This record gives sequence, C-alpha cells and structure tokens, in this order.
Amino acid sequence: EVQLVGSGGHLVQPGGSLRLSCAASGFTFRTYWMTWVRQTPGKGLEWVASIKEDGSEKYYVDSVKGRFIISRDNAESSVHLQMNSLRADDTAVYYCARGHYGMDQWGQGARVTVSS
Amino acid sequence: EVVLTQSPATLYVSPGERATLSCRTSQSVSSGLAWYQQKPGQPPRLLIYDASTRATGIPARFSGSGSGTEFTLTISSLQSEDFAMYYCQQYNNWPPITFGQGTKLDIK
Repeated sequence: EVQLVGSGGHLVQPGGSLRLSCAASGFTFRTYWMTWVRQTPGKGLEWVASIKEDGSEKYYVDSVKGRFIISRDNAESSVHLQMNSLRADDTAVYYCARGHYGMDQWGQGARVTVSS
Repeated sequence: EVVLTQSPATLYVSPGERATLSCRTSQSVSSGLAWYQQKPGQPPRLLIYDASTRATGIPARFSGSGSGTEFTLTISSLQSEDFAMYYCQQYNNWPPITFGQGTKLDIK
C-alpha cells in the first residue's frame, strides 16, 4: 500500500523556521518527482515546490523562493521542506504529494500556523 | 503564470443526475490538465490527468474532456459520495503549477 506520512507541522512565530518531512512507503520512491502543496483555511490549493527524482532539479512558487528549500533522501524514502523566515501568510496545511503532473498520492497534511 | 478559472463556484445537482464542471485556462495548456476531488478534512484525490485519462481506481462515471483552454469534468450519474470540492490543475506550462479556485458540488 502506498503511504505518505507527513510530520513537522507546528505553531511558529513570524520570522521563525520549521522543517516538514514526508515519509514514503509502498512504492519505488527514487523514481518519482515529489511535490509540496499547501492549502489555506477555507481556500484553495497552492503549489509550493517540486523536486526531481534524483534531486537535481527543484522548483518553487515565487512567494517562497529564497525562504523555502525542498530536499529528498532517496535512501530513506523521504522528502523535506525547510521553511525559513516564515510569515503569517505561510499559515496553511502542507501536503506532500507523489508526482508533479497528476499527483496521484497525497499525505494527510501537516498544519503550519505562523503567529505571535 | 497560467490562471485557471473554474465555473460555477457552486453547482447544485440532484443525486442520479449529471454534473458538468468547467475549467478555463488563461493560455493554452494543451492536454496538461488534471482534476481532483477533495472532501472536508481529507487531501485531494486525483480523478483525471492528461485532460481525459482516469486515474487508477476512479469510477467510469467520471470523465474529462477538452484541450487548449477549455476543459470539462463530467460526472454522469451523481452518487452521494460525489458531493465535494473539485479542483483543476495545469502542469503544461510550469513552473508554476497552478490550480483553479474550485467548484463546490452540492446537493440540490
């Protein structure tokens, strides 16, 4: 069974940092792009970042460039999102997802709240 | 950036009837479009990719059509479990990958 289990969501102050992780199982992790998507309360979906199978290419939405870093560990079948200089408008549920075109498997989401 | 506009914002349909949801893109995305279903408290679920290909395990009552800038998701005979939010997503012209704002499918 394919599973994506996210962790690391927390309450953090503006300007703070947080690292989200997503542990994958049930598929050959190293052969898939991986993506982070966020969803603000009551609103829609926003693509955040994607990373290629071997980690050689990474792409970000403009609003997080220079602040967030996506990475992966194929040996551990995990993908991470290091979030720095957090702002109130980063408050959201963050999902990891398999793929970047049709994203066919999603984690359960990690809630990040940025507030003083 | 490709902007996706979904219509209507809310669609009221009776169980057993057909639902037709629209997604329009601000520039051509060829067939690089996916549809997702999301229920409260759950992550999105992929329904359709490449505009018209059903994802694994998706019932045949879900179908996608269109190319270029105009796309449609059709649910042929609504079941109770189909009432949910639906989002389209383009991946032909990326980055960024972009989503529509969603259509809420509600019971009439």
